[in-house]
Amino acid sequence: GEDVEQSLFLSVREGDSSVINCTYTDSSSTYLYWYKQEPGAGLQLLTYIFSNMDMKQDQRLTVLLNKKDKHLSLRIADTQTGDSAIYFCAESMDNNDMRFGAGTRLTVKP
Amino acid sequence: DADVTQTPRNRITKTGKRIMLECSQTKGHDRMYWYRQDPGLGLRLIYYSFDVKDINKGEISDGYSVSRQAQAKFSLSLESAIPNQTALYFCATSAGNTEAFFGQGTRLTVV
Repeated sequence: GEDVEQSLFLSVREGDSSVINCTYTDSSSTYLYWYKQEPGAGLQLLTYIFSNMDMKQDQRLTVLLNKKDKHLSLRIADTQTGDSAIYFCAESMDNNDMRFGAGTRLTVKP
Repeated sequence: DADVTQTPRNRITKTGKRIMLECSQTKGHDRMYWYRQDPGLGLRLIYYSFDVKDINKGEISDGYSVSRQAQAKFSLSLESAIPNQTALYFCATSAGNTEAFFGQGTRLTVV
């Protein structure tokens, strides 16, 4: 089965908040990540959180982790058209490879 | 210059042909990875290497092989390409579990 699950699509209006959700199955996951992929480009790290944290905020980005439910979310405040991209959730354990979700395609409408 | 460079960026090849995708990185990191991206499936790990003498299979290694020629170079080979290997391939490097740096991808089409 899938290790990391995300919904495939999200559409929001410019200026609204976007919330992208992710669930993972491995309770041993130590690091959880959000990557952004713009059209024609590779992935770029947006932010990451250690499993012993509940929340991390970085400017317009807020990451929430519910370790009990194995649920990770990324909130983008005041979403802009430049935020349109595919967002990947990923998890890893110490000295192991990184596992990615299928990616959520965020579309921001003017 | 990009931290991770993949060549070629685009390639069309015929079924049964051997093809090599190359990757080089200037980050000085020990860890390197090859992923393939398919619509709706996200990134799936093909092979990874934690140092020059270490090669590990990922979740979808069948039909692929790799070579870690140096700390900075990690190539992916398809010995006999088949159409379902048509995908976008990404190389990545990391120093550990914090950030992975990705190349811009190689779009491979097998006809």
